[in-house]
Amino acid sequence: DAKTTQPPSMDCAEGRAANLPCNHSTISGNEYVYWYRQIHSQGPQYIIHGLKNNETNEMASLIITEDRKSSTLILPHATLRDTAVYYCIVRVRETSGSRLTFGEGTQLTVNP
Amino acid sequence: DVKVTQSSRYLVKRTGEKVFLECVQDMDHENMFWYRQDPGLGLRLIYFSYDVKMKEKGDIPEGYSVSREKKERFSLILESASTNQTSMYLCASSMQGWSTDTQYFGPGTRLTVL
Repeated sequence: DAKTTQPPSMDCAEGRAANLPCNHSTISGNEYVYWYRQIHSQGPQYIIHGLKNNETNEMASLIITEDRKSSTLILPHATLRDTAVYYCIVRVRETSGSRLTFGEGTQLTVNP
Repeated sequence: DVKVTQSSRYLVKRTGEKVFLECVQDMDHENMFWYRQDPGLGLRLIYFSYDVKMKEKGDIPEGYSVSREKKERFSLILESASTNQTSMYLCASSMQGWSTDTQYFGPGTRLTVL
C-alpha cells in the first residue's frame, strides 16, 4: 500500500468547512483513497473513498488531484461532533477480507 | 445503517482468566475482523473470517482464538489472559466482493488485564 502523509493536527471553527489534506505521491494506478475517522474512545468510522473522480456523500466530499498524488477531505459544515482523528489510507481494492492499516492521521479539533 | 455491536464497552479480567469478546453485525456481511488498537502501534489485525466456520490468522494471532458458528457473530477468545493483552479490541465487518474495503466497526471493548 502507498504511504500517506497527513498533518498531525488541524483546527476548524464550528460551521465552517474543514479541509483535510493527504499526500500520497507514490500511489499506483489501481489504488483507491479511503478516509476513516475515529472519535475518541469509539471504533473507526468509514467516511468515503474514491479512485480518481471527486466523490460526495452525506458525510463529506473527496477531492483527488488530477495526478492523484494528493487528496482533500472536505467536511462542508463542521460541527463539534466532527472532532476526531481522520485517517487517509491508500490501498488496492480487494475482493477478500483484508486488513486496514491506519497511520498517525490528523487530529481535527472543531472549536465553538 | 450497518450496526456492529460488541458485548462490552469495558472489561476487567485477571491474569490467567479465559475471556470471551462477542461481536454481532446485522447486515448479513460475509467478512468479519478482530483488531486491537494500542497507542503508537495503530490498528493490528488479530483474526478475520470470510464465511461461517472459516477463519484466517491476521498479524498477531498468538494468544487468541476465534469462533464463527453463525454468519452474524464472531467471537474472540483469550484462552489465558495476560497483562500484555490489555488493549482496545475492535470488531469490524464488511461485504464480500468489491465493497470489502468499506469496513464497519463496533464501538470497541477496552479490556484491562490485571
